[in-house]
Amino acid sequence: GAVVSQHPSWVICKSGTSVKIECRSLDFQATTMFWYRQFPKQSLMLMATSNEGSKATYEQGVEKDKFLINHASLTLSTLTVTSAHPEDSSFYICSARERQGGARSYEQYFGPGTRLTVT
Amino acid sequence: AQKITQTQPGMFVQEKEAVTLDCTYDTSDQSYGLFWYKQPSSGEMIFLIYQGSYDEQNATEGRYSLNFQKARKSANLVISASQLGDSAMYFCAIGGTSYGKLTFGQGTILTVHP
Repeated sequence: GAVVSQHPSWVICKSGTSVKIECRSLDFQATTMFWYRQFPKQSLMLMATSNEGSKATYEQGVEKDKFLINHASLTLSTLTVTSAHPEDSSFYICSARERQGGARSYEQYFGPGTRLTVT
Repeated sequence: AQKITQTQPGMFVQEKEAVTLDCTYDTSDQSYGLFWYKQPSSGEMIFLIYQGSYDEQNATEGRYSLNFQKARKSANLVISASQLGDSAMYFCAIGGTSYGKLTFGQGTILTVHP
């Protein structure tokens, strides 16, 4: 159980275009979803936290207008990188949290990641 | 606030030997959990083991065990009988009831030699 999928697994786009990444919880309802960015051989950097039906909370330094996050349902969150540039090339990982409260309530289940290359 | 420190950027181990990956943490929460993840070159985050702050016994999952020393705020991962497939990046993370997010360490790249 607790499987999270991401689509696409990799994408190449041209500079100036937008790209959308989907994150789905397949067998549970995700009250909260998280989006991370990771550069090679570095740690995961949290970009934003999204709760179903409400606006995402962005971490300091993350551009809200560039990285649009939508959490339309309890099983789907999307990250849209708008007007992508080469510096946006990175590995993007989503995760989902199943429930609030109780032991391990802060545990997250991770998607397989999306490798974005902007040319 | 939460903080995780992994002081070993890289570790090498011989196949079939045991290896310990260090992790120290800081948190203001009384109730918290510590996680270890493995990230192979494919990029997926693979959950390895969990230790709750109130768990009296050290967690074990197959070849993985967690050496939890609460007073020292350390949660080291021990991998026994290393295999070539264990070569990957390993992350320690902490989650707490008040913070709502996971905080990750810098990671340790483990290389297993034949």
